[in-house]
Amino acid sequence: GQNIDQPTEMTATEGAIVQINCTYQTSGFNGLFWYQQHAGEAPTFLSYNVLDGLEEKGRFSSFLSRSKGYSYLLLKELQMKDSASYLCAVNGDYKLSFGAGTTVTVRA
Amino acid sequence: GAVVSQHPSWVICKSGTSVKIECRSLDFQATTMFWYRQFPKQSLMLMATSNEGSKATYEQGVEKDKFLINHASLTLSTLTVTSAHPEDSSFYICSTYPTSGRFGGTDTQYFGPGTRLTVL
Repeated sequence: GQNIDQPTEMTATEGAIVQINCTYQTSGFNGLFWYQQHAGEAPTFLSYNVLDGLEEKGRFSSFLSRSKGYSYLLLKELQMKDSASYLCAVNGDYKLSFGAGTTVTVRA
Repeated sequence: GAVVSQHPSWVICKSGTSVKIECRSLDFQATTMFWYRQFPKQSLMLMATSNEGSKATYEQGVEKDKFLINHASLTLSTLTVTSAHPEDSSFYICSTYPTSGRFGGTDTQYFGPGTRLTVL
């Protein structure tokens, strides 16, 4: 089976940095995705990692360590609009398995 | 970028009725489409994988006779919730990726906007 863990909630101040960790144990690995989801809306793609290391995309960066089954999403210069749920998803056998999501609340 | 649409965006129905949800890829062909269900404050759970021209593959615990999937063309997949009950009330989301592309990487899955189903 697939097991993907991430914290339930995180709170941070506007302008700060927040790191959302994700650990996974899956049968097969073909990449790890991070998605952002606002309440009542579909997820939107943020990042994709298939090799170890850091992928940077503007204010968002994602890191992967396959040997440790570990990834994190780093959100820098937080803005109020970044308040959302962040989903870690693993492509184990060419279909996505999602973590429960981390709700990030950005405070002024 | 790729666009996936869903119709309807929300539906309210009486218990015992059937509801059909459409998922369309608007600017690319999609051999494979995925159907997810998301309950409040929970993550997306894959229900089934829809393949054009063949039978859908259902995840464990998902009743194939209750959730009928038809993928009759390369741009359209439908999910029919038959004899819906209040416990079927949920957010249903489809996703897909271009047939010509590679799943993952730059050709990642694109999600439809979702359908909110409320069964009274």
